[in-house]
Amino acid sequence: DQQVKQNSPSLSVQEGRISILNCDYTNSMFDYFLWYKKYPAEGPTFLISISSIKDKNEDGRFTVFLNKSAKHLSLHIVPSQPGDSAVYFCAASLGNTGTASKLTFGTGTRLQVTL
Amino acid sequence: GAVVSQHPSWVICKSGTSVKIECRSLDFQATTMFWYRQFPKQSLMLMATSNEGSKATYEQGVEKDKFLINHASLTLSTLTVTSAHPEDSSFYICSAPSLGGPYSYEQYFGPGTRLTVT
Repeated sequence: DQQVKQNSPSLSVQEGRISILNCDYTNSMFDYFLWYKKYPAEGPTFLISISSIKDKNEDGRFTVFLNKSAKHLSLHIVPSQPGDSAVYFCAASLGNTGTASKLTFGTGTRLQVTL
Repeated sequence: GAVVSQHPSWVICKSGTSVKIECRSLDFQATTMFWYRQFPKQSLMLMATSNEGSKATYEQGVEKDKFLINHASLTLSTLTVTSAHPEDSSFYICSAPSLGGPYSYEQYFGPGTRLTVT
């Protein structure tokens, strides 16, 4: 049972344009969401997060939007740069159960930013 | 920022042997660490939660006798794959919460260990 889904396995975007990565979840008890970036043969690195009490969080070129009613979140990267090419995972946490650190990951979206 | 290291970064072993993977938090203490595995082109699947001073808690479907976890100190957790078989070949990643305990949302991930069982 995949509780966090990223339906687009890959995405190609031209440099300078906006990249939009989507993530859907099924468990309404998730109260915190995170995006991680991962290069091959490396561990994920944290990008940005959002609490369920918010609908938007922005950090530089990265913005995460949360639509709780639709159980959907998205990561916007603008402008996209070649160095952004990686696999992006969204993750969700059941912080209100007392194990905030336990994350459920999506299946990942491979972003390729072309010149 | 905080760093989590793993050793070895890759290992090849013969079927039936055991392999130990170490996960260390380098500049912070972690009472909780997590172990994940990732198959090619798939998501990171949580295997178990490593707890300093107590037994690890395993996710459903993960054999605790096969994947032995020991949280020896506040900076070290080890995962031992016992009697490894080719189907255990995977990328194993550990993580530690940024605040060291289970109540921190953000985690620092190690670089991962590629295990190949022949």
